[in-house]
Amino acid sequence: GAGVSQSPSNKVTEKGKDVELRCDPISGHTALYWYRQSLGQGLEFLIYFQGNSAPDKSGLPSDRFSAERTGGSVSTLTIQRTQQEDSAVYLCASSLTGLAGGPNEQYFGPGTRLTVT
Amino acid sequence: QKEVEQDPGPLSVPEGAIVSLNCTYSNSAFQYFMWYRQYSRKGPELLMYTYSSGNKEDGRFTAQVDKSSKYISLFIRDSQPSDSATYLCAMKKGNNRLAFGKGNQVVVIP
Repeated sequence: GAGVSQSPSNKVTEKGKDVELRCDPISGHTALYWYRQSLGQGLEFLIYFQGNSAPDKSGLPSDRFSAERTGGSVSTLTIQRTQQEDSAVYLCASSLTGLAGGPNEQYFGPGTRLTVT
Repeated sequence: QKEVEQDPGPLSVPEGAIVSLNCTYSNSAFQYFMWYRQYSRKGPELLMYTYSSGNKEDGRFTAQVDKSSKYISLFIRDSQPSDSATYLCAMKKGNNRLAFGKGNQVVVIP
């Protein structure tokens, strides 16, 4: 598995339920990012992890959204009490380093398509 | 005003034509300018990035940056049906979040 993997690929949930989305970054990549892609809105930054530093959570749209990264590798994005407006594709990306000053090319996974009914 | 503007209108061209895409931006702090290609139901993949004003070529793809006008372009020469995808511009400041345009869906008709 050379690329970023995400699971599940599709998730349908009822309004009000909690969901967990998983991301496995490329091995050795220290930086991990979550984005949301909605129809007509483009990609929206959610959260960024770099090594053991405190994550940049400035893009999370509400306190119903949270994410963690365990052991500097796998990350889980949790959405509590889902709403219909949370329906989107959630994309994870990783880069070799997240240090400022370089392009830090981000490699994206295939995304999780979330539908809230 | 969004930091990055990309007219999301779809674009259909005949095979062999030149595809021209562009984005404008408002934040002069952006340092890196990227183009991503996204096929349907896939994640975006990085095509190329540039750091300074000027042109950068990679095969049939040319990226152009004009920092004075805050304007970037992507040109695809001799377009192929396999180029049919959504193209997203993205920009990065000193931190690592990318600011994306909304994307252009390109269809190359055989």
